[in-house]
Amino acid sequence: GDSVIQMQGQVTLSENDFLFINCTYSTTGYPTLFWYVQYSGEGPQLLLQVTTANNKGSSRGFEATYDKGTTSFHLQKTSVQEIDSAVYYCAMDDSGYNKLTFGKGTVLLVSP
Amino acid sequence: NTKITQSPRYLILGRANKSLECEQHLGHNAMYWYKQSAEKPPELMFLYNLKQLIRNETVPSRFIPECPDSSKLLLHISAVDPEDSAVYFCASSLGQGAGNTLYFGEGSRLIVV
Repeated sequence: GDSVIQMQGQVTLSENDFLFINCTYSTTGYPTLFWYVQYSGEGPQLLLQVTTANNKGSSRGFEATYDKGTTSFHLQKTSVQEIDSAVYYCAMDDSGYNKLTFGKGTVLLVSP
Repeated sequence: NTKITQSPRYLILGRANKSLECEQHLGHNAMYWYKQSAEKPPELMFLYNLKQLIRNETVPSRFIPECPDSSKLLLHISAVDPEDSAVYFCASSLGQGAGNTLYFGEGSRLIVV
């Protein structure tokens, strides 16, 4: 069945460190891929999305490339800040009606 | 996100009936209920588009959604069960098709005692 895998449950960094969060997906369809960010006490917010394979999405210094060959959509940021501390969810939709399949989420903790 | 408001924000219940409310001020046609249990990702429960129920993701029958108009969404819960403890997020999008960005509300946290 469809699934999104995030292996890292938690990532702890210092400010200005490089961020890499792994995400792979499994589906027989042609999904749109997303990264959502969820701050404490809030609902998820769209960070970036990519509909077409081999394209890159970027927002607020974060970027992710839809790699159909490796079925991956890893999230990167060159220099994280304390305000980036949140839970990051990789997600996909190949339902055609916004049924998002989320990964388990990665807690990012950035210390000043 | 003040453009999607949910009430109540917090709710502690025994085995009672309660309704959650959501209103969006974005002019969107599609509205959703997602459930997020502790330390898990959100999961789709229901989807409405133009006030019509489009999807029911095999949710227990004690959950009854209602969409009185295209900007409002309700979730009626009867005889809540401890497994219903979760945060319930309302979301909306301009249309229901792929590529329509989902916007989530701040959630209603339900605690069943």
